[in-house]
Amino acid sequence: EDQVTQSPEALRLQEGESSSLNCSYTVSGLRGLFWYRQDPGKGPEFLFTLYSAGEEKEKERLKATLTKKESFLHITAPKPEDSATYLCAVQVWGTSYGKLTFGQGTILTVHP
Amino acid sequence: DGGITQSPKYLFRKEGQNVTLSCEQNLNHDAMYWYRQDPGQGLRLIYYSQIVNDFQKGDIAEGYSVSREKKESFPLTVTSAQKNPTAFYLCASSRPTSTSQDEQYFGPGTRLTVT
Repeated sequence: EDQVTQSPEALRLQEGESSSLNCSYTVSGLRGLFWYRQDPGKGPEFLFTLYSAGEEKEKERLKATLTKKESFLHITAPKPEDSATYLCAVQVWGTSYGKLTFGQGTILTVHP
Repeated sequence: DGGITQSPKYLFRKEGQNVTLSCEQNLNHDAMYWYRQDPGQGLRLIYYSQIVNDFQKGDIAEGYSVSREKKESFPLTVTSAQKNPTAFYLCASSRPTSTSQDEQYFGPGTRLTVT
């Protein structure tokens, strides 16, 4: 069974304090790994797609990386507006077309 | 502006009543999806549709039904057979191709409360 585990469940940072969120996955064959940001009471907002080990993508203060077993979302010098739940999801070869399997999310709080 | 709309934002129903959640997209995407989100849990797939007049069950389809009569619309009915219907429901769409899988874009969600 495909599994996605995110850690930590919650992370509290001071403004400017860089850190990383982890997404570990156990799948039969990774087709793609997706990162989303979700604000309270809203739908997830797409951030990145990673397809192969070694791939990296950046957007403002966020950088996503991928290995064969996990992905990291690095947050550099975070600001209070970066506070949100960050979701990781995987897509697997040979399963229902388009299906995403999500982790439970990491709740990030950045204090000023 | 292109996007996905869901209505209503909040929905309240009595136990035993069926309720239909609306999802419309103007992104010209072929594929559409319904997810359910419960506190502390990841999103779980209810139903998905790759093309008009075709849809498949996801991981937790029991107690739900869908239709896909138009490319733009993918309504979800929560029936009285769904044992725990109170949740946050999210609709998504994507434009998958044969060589890559486009990301899914989500609507704002509908929070359903059944008492």
